[in-house]
Amino acid sequence: EDQVTQSPEALRLQEGESSSLNCSYTVSGLRGLFWYRQDPGKGPEFLFTLYSAGEEKEKERLKATLTKKESFLHITAPKPEDSATYLCAVQAGGFKTIFGAGTRLFVKA
Amino acid sequence: DGGITQSPKYLFRKEGQNVTLSCEQNLNHDAMYWYRQDPGQGLRLIYYSQIVNDFQKGDIAEGYSVSREKKESFPLTVTSAQKNPTAFYLCASSRTGEYGYTFGSGTRLTVV
Repeated sequence: EDQVTQSPEALRLQEGESSSLNCSYTVSGLRGLFWYRQDPGKGPEFLFTLYSAGEEKEKERLKATLTKKESFLHITAPKPEDSATYLCAVQAGGFKTIFGAGTRLFVKA
Repeated sequence: DGGITQSPKYLFRKEGQNVTLSCEQNLNHDAMYWYRQDPGQGLRLIYYSQIVNDFQKGDIAEGYSVSREKKESFPLTVTSAQKNPTAFYLCASSRTGEYGYTFGSGTRLTVV
């Protein structure tokens, strides 16, 4: 069964304390892996798409990487405004996209 | 600016009542989707449409219905058959293929 698991469920960091969020997946025929940011009470905002193992994408303090079994979202020197829920999603064979439950990130000043 | 608009932001439903959630996009995207989000769970797919006048059931379609009469519009009706409709509903659109989604701001539905 296709599955996407994100860890940890919640992460509390001090401002400037770098860390990583994990997204592990088991799907047949990965077509794309996506990262989104979601603020409370709002719709998710697209961040990155990764298509193949070894690929990396960066945006400001965020860097996403992909292996054959998992993806990491690295956050370098986070700021309080980076606090949000980060969602990982995988598109496998066919048209279906499967979302993980998300990691809630809290960054304290 | 192009985007996707959901309305209303908050909606209250009485027992036995049907309600319709609106979703409009001006991104010229072919594909549109409806997801349901509950606390602690990933987004679950209700319905999706890849082209006008065609749509497919997702994982949790029971108690919901949709239409796709125009490329820009994909309304979702929550019927009285949906026994646990209280949730945050998200509409999204995308280009066909392996592309990320653009989401609306969501509709929070509560049963009263």
